[in-house]
Amino acid sequence: EVRLLESGGGLVQPGGSLRLSCVASGFTFRTYALSWVRQAPGKGLEWVSTFSGAADKTYDADSVKGRFTISRDNSKNTLYLQMNNLRAEDTAVYYCVKDGIRGSPGSEFFLDWGQGTLVTVSS
Amino acid sequence: SYVLTQPPSVSVAPGKTATLTCGGNLIASKNVNWYQKRPGQAPKLVIHYDDDRPSGIPERFSGSNSGNTATLTIARVEAGDEADYYCQVWDNIDHWVFGGGTRLTVL
Repeated sequence: EVRLLESGGGLVQPGGSLRLSCVASGFTFRTYALSWVRQAPGKGLEWVSTFSGAADKTYDADSVKGRFTISRDNSKNTLYLQMNNLRAEDTAVYYCVKDGIRGSPGSEFFLDWGQGTLVTVSS
Repeated sequence: SYVLTQPPSVSVAPGKTATLTCGGNLIASKNVNWYQKRPGQAPKLVIHYDDDRPSGIPERFSGSNSGNTATLTIARVEAGDEADYYCQVWDNIDHWVFGGGTRLTVL
């Protein structure tokens, strides 16, 4: 059974930093693309970042480029999202997501989702 | 940037068919995925690659993609289908794009 467990959310002031973690189990971690998707209160789904499985490439939404950094530690089966210079509009539930195709050089579709961790940016 | 347009809301009576659309420029040239999002729950993939159903998704859910419109069809709608539905594509500049979402209300 695939499990994705996010942690690291919380309350942070504007301009502050936070690092989210996602510990994965139930699949061969290094062979799948992994992503972060967020949903702000009352808003729709917004893709944040993707780390490919086979190609070791990263992709970021324009809204977070230069502020957020996605990374993965295959030895720990853990995905990270380092979030710097946080803004009020970054307030959202952040989901860790596993892709659906093993060994794809990119990202195909979001098959498995964690339960999410809430990030609140407020003074 | 690539834009996906979804109607904000669709209403349907139980047992009827719901048709949810997702508009995008030449969207037929892209693979479209659909997600169901219920309040308080994580999103769930219901259709990938335009018309493929993941394991565990009922056959009542189907997808199509042609021209500038992709469609998610839910046959014999049940109360449990009430949720927000989002379409998604990978654009040509290395970004995932979600539509704004459609709230499906079961009357």
